[in-house]
Amino acid sequence: DAGVTQSPTHLIKTRGQQVTLRCSPKSGHDTVSWYQQALGQGPQFIFQYYEEEERQRGNFPDRFSGHQFPNYSSELNVNALLLGDSALYLCASSLGLAGREQYFGPGTRLTVT
Amino acid sequence: AQSVTQLDSQVPVFEEAPVELRCNYSSSVSVYLFWYVQYPNQGLQLLLKYLSGSTLVKGINGFEAEFNKSQTSFHLRKPSVHISDTAEYFCAVSEGRNRDDKIIFGKGTRLHILP
Repeated sequence: DAGVTQSPTHLIKTRGQQVTLRCSPKSGHDTVSWYQQALGQGPQFIFQYYEEEERQRGNFPDRFSGHQFPNYSSELNVNALLLGDSALYLCASSLGLAGREQYFGPGTRLTVT
Repeated sequence: AQSVTQLDSQVPVFEEAPVELRCNYSSSVSVYLFWYVQYPNQGLQLLLKYLSGSTLVKGINGFEAEFNKSQTSFHLRKPSVHISDTAEYFCAVSEGRNRDDKIIFGKGTRLHILP
């Protein structure tokens, strides 16, 4: 049973560029949440997708957007990258009540130069 | 609004000694509580969770936590730590009542095992 997978593992981008990160949820899960984890900090909630719609959003600007596909996989897009966007981006999946338990992927390390 | 406070950013402890990592939360409603562990360069792994029922929760790797509603705490304990327990530990809370809820994390406590 495959867990949550994310790609790519590492990514280096330049300020102003755009980036797309990908996530495949754990088998059987239908809800995907995205988190940003800056160095030395806890994960910060970005947004959550269910039934291909954004259901809840944290305190992140519109430069951060996402998408969920019919197979429940998800993408996180960040436009106009800033140096402060450098972080580990974590995807988590869940079934049913998202607040009950989430399974996390290994993350994508984004470095903006 | 929910929030989580982890009172110690780092905790050094000798191998085979007991450890307690402290966590306090604030919420206006009943909550679900979690402890996650993050090993270097990895994602988060669920250690244990409190959803309802017994306030003493046992998790993986010999860890346990006790939910104290009056003190709004959910401290994590292990009677004897091993060098392999070196990691970052995150306490988290959610109101968990509907699909649209989210999990709020604390800033983490780094557990440093001394030989």
